[in-house]
Amino acid sequence: DGGITQSPKYLFRKEGQNVTLSCEQNLNHDAMYWYRQDPGQGLRLIYYSQIVNDFQKGDIAEGYSVSREKKESFPLTVTSAQKNPTAFYLCASSPPPGTQDYGYTFGSGTRLTVV
Amino acid sequence: AQTVTQSQPEMSVQEAETVTLSCTYDTSESDYYLFWYKQPPSRQMILVIRQEAYKQQNATENRFSVNFQKAAKSFSLKISDSQLGDAAMYFCAQAGYSTLTFGKGTMLLVSP
Repeated sequence: DGGITQSPKYLFRKEGQNVTLSCEQNLNHDAMYWYRQDPGQGLRLIYYSQIVNDFQKGDIAEGYSVSREKKESFPLTVTSAQKNPTAFYLCASSPPPGTQDYGYTFGSGTRLTVV
Repeated sequence: AQTVTQSQPEMSVQEAETVTLSCTYDTSESDYYLFWYKQPPSRQMILVIRQEAYKQQNATENRFSVNFQKAAKSFSLKISDSQLGDAAMYFCAQAGYSTLTFGKGTMLLVSP
């Protein structure tokens, strides 16, 4: 079955550490996205990529970095510059607008906690 | 910039009754999509219903339907014959050409 796989499900980070969240999709979607979810805040866009080797900052990109070396993969690194990284992180992908059954497909998320 | 507003942090409904969740949005794009996503306690985001802005007809999916008022930039979700399994956080979202913007969500509580 096609879908998006995020790993790990739970991740613990020490102060000053960089950590990387994995996101892989086998839906053949060009576009991929990272969202952060905090209680009462909805989902906020961190970074997105519409094509391999290209990505753009979203609304809350500070303290995060991404790469898009392969169509299937869009890893997110939470750097030590991110002062409040504890949150739930969701990865998504989508086909181009206008595609039949257009919509965003989400992974099951990674819960990151600073210890 | 796109904005999506859900003015109801929490709604309650009894089983078998009907409930309507409100959503307004703002965008400068002429062509866009609107969505309702459901997030149960598992936190998996599930697409409930989709509306293409250029279509006049309101979308329906079984017990779920929308009231899309383009001029008013309003996109409400009606859930008929509510079931216990409908209890979840519901997010309204608007997709322009490149990204999806979410509202802050409405928690739906369903009582027997």
